[in-house]
Amino acid sequence: NAGVTQTPKFQVLKTGQSMTLQCAQDMNHEYMSWYRQDPGMGLRLIHYSVGAGITDQGEVPNGYNVSRSTTEDFPLRLLSAAPSQTSVYFCASSYSTANTGELFFGEGSRLTVL
Amino acid sequence: AQSVTQPDIHITVSEGASLELRCNYSYGATPYLFWYVQSPGQGLQLLLKYFSGDTLVQGIKGFEAEFKRSQSSFNLRKPSVHWSDAAEYFCAVAPWDYGGSQGNLIFGKGTKLSVKP
Repeated sequence: NAGVTQTPKFQVLKTGQSMTLQCAQDMNHEYMSWYRQDPGMGLRLIHYSVGAGITDQGEVPNGYNVSRSTTEDFPLRLLSAAPSQTSVYFCASSYSTANTGELFFGEGSRLTVL
Repeated sequence: AQSVTQPDIHITVSEGASLELRCNYSYGATPYLFWYVQSPGQGLQLLLKYFSGDTLVQGIKGFEAEFKRSQSSFNLRKPSVHWSDAAEYFCAVAPWDYGGSQGNLIFGKGTKLSVKP
C-alpha cells in the first residue's frame, strides 16, 4: 500500500520561480492537508481540504495555492518562491472530518529557495 | 485560542531508563489529544490518541499517555526506552466541533529525544 505519496522529495528553486508539490493518497481519504515544518516551530497548517472541490486556508496560507479536483490528489502550488518558504513540506490525510486528528503523513518534500 | 506547549525542547535518557515527555494544552472544553513521532527524515506517525473515557491510553511501540484535566496535561510515558525510540515527538490537539467534526490539528513545537547507550 502506497499511503500518502509526495513528489519531489527535494527541490531547489530560485527566488521568484513557481513550482507545484504533488500529493496523492490511495486510501480514499476525505480530508487532506499541507503542513510546513521549520526548526523550533513545529508543524503549521498551510491549506486543507474536506473533500473534492472544497479547500480552505490554514494558519500560514500566504504565497501558496491548492486545489482538489479529485479525492486522491491535493497539489500545493508556490506562486513566486521566496527564501522564507524554505522548509520541509508534509502532506497528510485522514479518513474523514470526524477524525482529522488521525493523520497519515507523506515522507515530506524538502524545498530550498535561494 | 487553542495552543499546545511542550516545555522540553530536547531530552536525553539512557537506554533502559523510563521516559516522560510533557505536554500542556489550552482549550476551553475537553479536546481530542494526540501524540505523534517523527523519525529522522521521515513523516509523522500516530502513537496514540485520547478522545474520552479512560484517562490512561495505550499506544504503539509500548508508549502510554495520561490525560489530566485538572492540569491540562497529556504526558507521554514509556517504562523502558530503546535506542530506536530516538526521534522527535509531537503533542497535538484537535478542537471538538459541535457538528461532530474535529477541527484542524494544532501541533506543539516538539521534543527531540536522544538515547544514550
